[in-house]
Amino acid sequence: EAGVVQSPRYKIIEKKQPVAFWCNPISGHNTLYWYRQNLGQGPELLIRYENEEAVDDSQLPKDRFSAERLKGVDSTLKIQPAELGDSAVYLCASSLDRINGQGATGELFFGEGSRLTVL
Amino acid sequence: AQSVTQPDIHITVSEGASLELRCNYSYGATPYLFWYVQSPGQGLQLLLKYFSGDTLVQGIKGFEAEFKRSQSSFNLRKPSVHWSDAAEYFCAVGENYGGATNKLIFGTGTLLAVQP
Repeated sequence: EAGVVQSPRYKIIEKKQPVAFWCNPISGHNTLYWYRQNLGQGPELLIRYENEEAVDDSQLPKDRFSAERLKGVDSTLKIQPAELGDSAVYLCASSLDRINGQGATGELFFGEGSRLTVL
Repeated sequence: AQSVTQPDIHITVSEGASLELRCNYSYGATPYLFWYVQSPGQGLQLLLKYFSGDTLVQGIKGFEAEFKRSQSSFNLRKPSVHWSDAAEYFCAVGENYGGATNKLIFGTGTLLAVQP
């Protein structure tokens, strides 16, 4: 079974340029997450989707960041314009929520990440 | 607010020696706790998780962790470290959304080096 796939793995851009990251979650997983991991830090949640609905985007800097998950499968995270402080690894993860009200297993499956360097 | 503290930024152990990585959490209710491992250039892989029941949890790769409510801790242990265990280890607490635990709050990680 294929894992979470992210692209590109590496991206170097100049500040003020736009950038986009793509994520394909594990087949059948209805919940998708974007995390940002700064150097030497743990991942921090940017946005969480349940199917195509963004249910938690409280930590997404909405002035420059946007995300979408059309059809509840693939997702794209965009930054426009990028700033120097956006340099980080952007991790996508997915999970399968139980739909009978019992709650999720809590296991998130992570992709390898997209490393962004803003010059 | 929920938080996770990993007090050790770097740890170096000799191959074959025992290992304990510390994790303390702050959470108002019964926490859902996790340990993830991240190898260089890779995503995070789940080692083990605690939801309820037996406070000693067994995971993959010979790791175990013990939940101690009185100490708000969930330390990770391994009796004999292998060179391939060198990686960064993250403790996380799951926020409860009506029974779901999908929002994870991560600690800052502990980088493990293994000496031959």
